[in-house]
Amino acid sequence: AQSVTQPDIHITVSEGASLELRCNYSYGATPYLFWYVQSPGQGLQLLLKYFSGDTLVQGIKGFEAEFKRSQSSFNLRKPSVHWSDAAEYFCAVGLNFGNEKLTFGTGTRLTIIP
Amino acid sequence: SAVISQKPSRDICQRGTSLTIQCQVDSQVTMMFWYRQQPGQSLTLIATANQGSEATYESGFVIDKFPISRPNLTFSTLTVSNMSPEDSSIYLCSGTIGSAGGAWAGELFFGEGSRLTVL
Repeated sequence: AQSVTQPDIHITVSEGASLELRCNYSYGATPYLFWYVQSPGQGLQLLLKYFSGDTLVQGIKGFEAEFKRSQSSFNLRKPSVHWSDAAEYFCAVGLNFGNEKLTFGTGTRLTIIP
Repeated sequence: SAVISQKPSRDICQRGTSLTIQCQVDSQVTMMFWYRQQPGQSLTLIATANQGSEATYESGFVIDKFPISRPNLTFSTLTVSNMSPEDSSIYLCSGTIGSAGGAWAGELFFGEGSRLTVL
């Protein structure tokens, strides 16, 4: 079965600094990969996804992620964070059509300091 | 895209009672799912809500505890039965839309969740 690991439980970044959130997956083939963000008291919003093709994926709110097959990683990056980026970030892996269940990582809580 | 609405958004319940959460989608979704997010934890899939038939439950979840209905393509309910404090969680409804070609459109939409506290 597939699994997702987010090694960082909590990250604190200064506003304006760059950000990288780590995600590693375990799956025999290339899975569908996702990053979701959950603001306090809110549901989950999709930031970006990777299915195939270009391994650098652009998402909303200035986020991007890079799929590295050799490292089984799908790290999320942002060149300059804003205070509104403070939230919980979840990496998730899915399989294929007809089996769209997602397996989520444990999440990384992002705190932004002035 | 799809907008998913859940009711109630939060509730405080007594031990031993049951609560039904409603999930309404503003468009037809191919598949609907129910997830649980325990305090400070990630999301765990409870079941896939199947239209007009019994839901498909993940390991560790059973129909007697979490009965689910999905009478049509835009509506589903999850009941949390005989609640205990361990059931205090956020319950999230989600849905996904297939493309016209049959492939997955590649996004799982989420409601804002129903936060249950069991005393």
